[in-house]
Amino acid sequence: QQQVKQSPQSLIVQKGGISIINCAYENTAFDYFPWYQQFPGKGPALLIAIRPDVSEKKEGRFTISFNKSAKQFSLHIMDSQPGDSATYFCAASGRTGYSTLTFGKGTMLLVSP
Amino acid sequence: DARVTQTPRHKVTEMGQEVTMRCQPILGHNTVFWYRQTMMQGLELLAYFRNRAPLDDSGMPKDRFSAEMPDATLATLKIQPSEPRDSAVYFCASGLGSAGNTIYFGEGSWLTVV
Repeated sequence: QQQVKQSPQSLIVQKGGISIINCAYENTAFDYFPWYQQFPGKGPALLIAIRPDVSEKKEGRFTISFNKSAKQFSLHIMDSQPGDSATYFCAASGRTGYSTLTFGKGTMLLVSP
Repeated sequence: DARVTQTPRHKVTEMGQEVTMRCQPILGHNTVFWYRQTMMQGLELLAYFRNRAPLDDSGMPKDRFSAEMPDATLATLKIQPSEPRDSAVYFCASGLGSAGNTIYFGEGSWLTVV
């Protein structure tokens, strides 16, 4: 059973537009929600992360919005650039020290020039 | 520049052969993960270690896969015998043990079994 559902699978956005990727989770024990960015031929790298005590976190052009009651969180990329073209993974992990990250299946983002 | 180092970066092998992938975690990190990435399944956790002890390998096919940490600077993932369905990118990642801490991925070992 997939514990983190991510959508869309792929996304094309024009340069300067807003990219939005959504994730939903089922396990209420999750309390750490990172987003990873992966470029072709590279490993995933942490982009931004949030804990459920806040509803939003912003770092530069990247914002996570978190809705605890709906068990959903999303990544917004403002003023999307061609260099943002990559695969984005949402993930979640629980409270215990031995909890591991569960990843969504990824979204391939293409920002057209 | 601390990073997770994986070898080999690319491997093409024939079905039935043994494949060993190696990982050097970031110095000081006490938790090491092995993930497999495919188009169909995304990132799947195969196994992970804390302070060199295996904590969970439930994601790994036990009959052909094995993971070990001979020492704190080396983790290995072995497939014997390899099958075409094992073709994937295998990532090693390391981190500091507490939940909610960032994990850092290597660049992956791209395996093709023909």
